[in-house]
Amino acid sequence: GAGVSQSPRYKVAKRGQDVALRCDPISGHVSLFWYQQALGQGPEFLTYFQNEAQLDKSGLPSDRFFAERPEGSVSTLKIQRTQQEDSAVYLCASSLAAQGSRNQPQHFGDGTRLSIL
Amino acid sequence: KQEVTQIPAALSVPEGENLVLNCSFTDSAIYNLQWFRQDPGKGLTSLLLIQSSQREQTSGRLNASLDKSSGRSTLYIAASQPGDSATYLCAVIDTGANSKLTFGKGITLSVRP
Repeated sequence: GAGVSQSPRYKVAKRGQDVALRCDPISGHVSLFWYQQALGQGPEFLTYFQNEAQLDKSGLPSDRFFAERPEGSVSTLKIQRTQQEDSAVYLCASSLAAQGSRNQPQHFGDGTRLSIL
Repeated sequence: KQEVTQIPAALSVPEGENLVLNCSFTDSAIYNLQWFRQDPGKGLTSLLLIQSSQREQTSGRLNASLDKSSGRSTLYIAASQPGDSATYLCAVIDTGANSKLTFGKGITLSVRP
C-alpha cells in the first residue's frame, strides 16, 4: 500500500538500552510528525520535520530523544538509555502540506508499541 | 496552552441509535479541527477536517460541526452500527504554530448488536 509505514510494530527493550524507530512516510509528503501515545491517552506531539529540516522539537521529553530525517523522506526516532516511562506507542504521520498550508490531513502509520522492561 | 477535552471517556449504545460525541477546546485561535477514528492496535484514520472558517463537514453517516467562538465541536453519527465501535479523537491545529495537532483523550464507543 501507499500509506505511512512504521517499523518495528513492536519493540521490547531492557531499561538502559538504546532503541531506533523507523517511519517511512507517503511518497512526496513534505511534512512529517512524531507523536507519543500513552495507554488511554491521546497522542502528544514530539517533533516536526519539513523535508529534512527539523522545525519544531519542542515536544521531545528529554535530551535522550533524538529524531532525524536526513534525506527528507524516511525518519528515525532514537531513544537513548531508555526508561520505563518511555513505554508507549510512537506514531508517525505525514502530510502533503508544507507549514504554510495546514488544511491537508495528516496520515498516520500504525505505530510502534515500545515496552521497556 | 491549548487543552482539548472529550467527555465522557466511554459510551455504549444499541445498534441503530443516532449519537453525538462532544469535544471542547480552551483556545479558540485554531486553524482547523479534525476528528479521527482509532481501532485497537492501529493508527489514526482521519474522518473529517473542518477549517476554522467552516461550520460543518459531512461524510456519509458522519457530520461534524464547529463553533469556534465557544470552543466546541460535535461529531454526529447517524444510525450507528457495530462496525462503528472504536475510539474517536478530536484534535486542533492552533494558529501561529506549526501544523502539530493537539489531541483530546478520545471517546471509546461501543455499539451493541
